[in-house]
Formats: sequence, C-alpha cells, structure tokens
Amino acid sequence: GNSVTQMEGPVTLSEEAFLTINCTYTATGYPSLFWYVQYPGEGLQLLLKATKADDKGSNKGFEATYRKETTSFHLEKGSVQVSDSAVYFCALSPHNGANSKLTFGKGITLSVRP
Amino acid sequence: NAGVTQTPKFQVLKTGQSMTLQCAQDMNHEYMSWYRQDPGMGLRLIHYSVGAGITDQGEVPNGYNVSRSTTEDFPLRLLSAAPSQTSVYFCASSQGAGSYEQYFGPGTRLTVT
Repeated sequence: GNSVTQMEGPVTLSEEAFLTINCTYTATGYPSLFWYVQYPGEGLQLLLKATKADDKGSNKGFEATYRKETTSFHLEKGSVQVSDSAVYFCALSPHNGANSKLTFGKGITLSVRP
Repeated sequence: NAGVTQTPKFQVLKTGQSMTLQCAQDMNHEYMSWYRQDPGMGLRLIHYSVGAGITDQGEVPNGYNVSRSTTEDFPLRLLSAAPSQTSVYFCASSQGAGSYEQYFGPGTRLTVT
C-alpha cells in the first residue's frame, strides 16, 4: 500500500536558520505529493504541492521538489521565522480515480526560537 | 465563504454515550472526508464521500458511521463512545481526489472518559 515516512522530530531552530524536513514515500505509479502545515489550535492547510516528477512546489519561502528516482519530497526553507513554528505533514494521493485517498506522514513539530 | 465548519469545538463524553460531530462546507465540493489525529500517528482517514449519497470506509472506520444526504453536510456519528476514540477530529473537503487541495475544518477535540 501507499505510505509516507517523515524524519523524526521535534525540530528546534534559531530564527534565520536553514530548514530541511525529510519526506520519502512508497506508492505505485506517480502520485501527487503535498506538504500541509498545522499552526497551533488550527486545522491543516496546504503549504505546497507537486503533481509530477521533477516539479517544484513553492509557497511562503518554502520549496520541495518531487524526486521520482529517490521517492522523496523534502521540504526546505532558507531562513525560518518564529511564525513558521507549526506541525508539518507530508502527504501523497494517487491518481486512480474518485476513490483516491490522501495518505499522511506522522508529522513533525518545528519550533523556531528568536 | 465560511469554508469548512465543524461543531462542537470541544466535547466530553462518557463511555457508551453516542453523539454526532457536525461538518459543513459552502464551497460546493463533492469530496468530503473525516480524519482523526492522534499523537505520533499523523492523520488517519475514518470515512469519506465522493458525493451526496455515496460514502466509503477509510483506514479506521470501526465505531463510526457517516451519511451524506446533501453536498454541504457530512456528519460523523459515534455509536457507543470508547476511551480509544479520544482524539482530535478533522473534517475536510475538496473538489475531487488526486491532486486537488483538501480544505480542513478547525477540528473537534473529543475526550471519552
């Protein structure tokens, strides 16, 4: 079946540090890949996505590139801010019709200190 | 647009009680789903619907029922609450499956004692 593996957390960084959060996946075919973010006390919201190999998703200074050869979708940001403190989820969805389901990784908590 | 709304925000139940978590969306989305979020487990799909009158089971459906009589509403029913159902529940909607973005509600925090 489909699965998503995220690096273990939590992660604590100082403001302006470089961020990498690793995500690898197992799926048949070419799924769509997503990063969702959950700020404290809120629901999840889409941060970025990529729908085919070598696509780069980007938003709010975050980037992730769909790497088919390494089945990875690592999230990066060059300079984190305190406001980036949140839980980050990697997810995939196959392209197999109306019953495609989103599969999430376990999430990782990022804390950014001033 | 209100987006996806969920009620209540918090709920405490005793073991064996039943209740319904409400979910509504005003974006005319066909696809709706319910997830539970537990520490260290990520989000797990409980039930989903691809349109009014059509529902299906997700990864962890036991102990939960759903129905979809309208496009807008997708309630989740706990038939006989158990402590293992203590969790945060999220409803989500999207235009479709696959590459479409899912829009999440703010969640319901449920405690079963």
